[in-house]
Amino acid sequence: AQSVTQLGSHVSVSEGALVLLRCNYSSSVPPYLFWYVQYPNQGLQLLLKYTSAATLVKGINGFEAEFKKSETSFHLTKPSAHMSDAAEYFCAVSDRSNTGKLIFGQGTTLQVKP
Amino acid sequence: EPEVTQTPSHQVTQMGQEVILRCVPISNHLYFYWYRQILGQKVEFLVSFYNNEISEKSEIFDDQFSVERPDGSNFTLKIRSTKLEDSAMYFCASSDLLVFNTQYFGPGTRLTVL
Repeated sequence: AQSVTQLGSHVSVSEGALVLLRCNYSSSVPPYLFWYVQYPNQGLQLLLKYTSAATLVKGINGFEAEFKKSETSFHLTKPSAHMSDAAEYFCAVSDRSNTGKLIFGQGTTLQVKP
Repeated sequence: EPEVTQTPSHQVTQMGQEVILRCVPISNHLYFYWYRQILGQKVEFLVSFYNNEISEKSEIFDDQFSVERPDGSNFTLKIRSTKLEDSAMYFCASSDLLVFNTQYFGPGTRLTVL
């Protein structure tokens, strides 16, 4: 069975600092991996996805993530945090079944301090 | 930009009552999903739906739950007899290309069971 672990339920950074949100996955087959962001009182918005092409994936709002098979990781980074990045971030894996369901991590709340 | 919509945004009901949560997926999408997020917990898969039938359901999706696509635009989740533990945010999602499984989420319906 597939699973996702997000290390750190809360991450706090200063505005302008590097953002690093950690995600490790478990999968018996090559996975599809996703990062979603949830702003307060809103739905889940896709930030970026890995679908076995380039291992470094660029997404919206300056975020990127690197797929590292040897480490079973898909950490999300952004060089310089902005106040508007404060939100909850979810890592998810797709099991590539014929249903394509997503399995989510617990989520990480990103706080950006001025 | 096309988006998934959900109504109502907030539903309050008494335990034992039936509720219907409604979703309008993106118009050319073929795959539909319901997820739920209990407060403070991760997003969990409930059910996937394709070609007018359930393609996969989780163990959460018991006989109290049902889904339907009554017409060409709506996708509904019905809970026949709500329990306190059904209180959660329910997200609808849709996808147009299963291989890469990029699911687009609605803003959610917050269900409160009293």
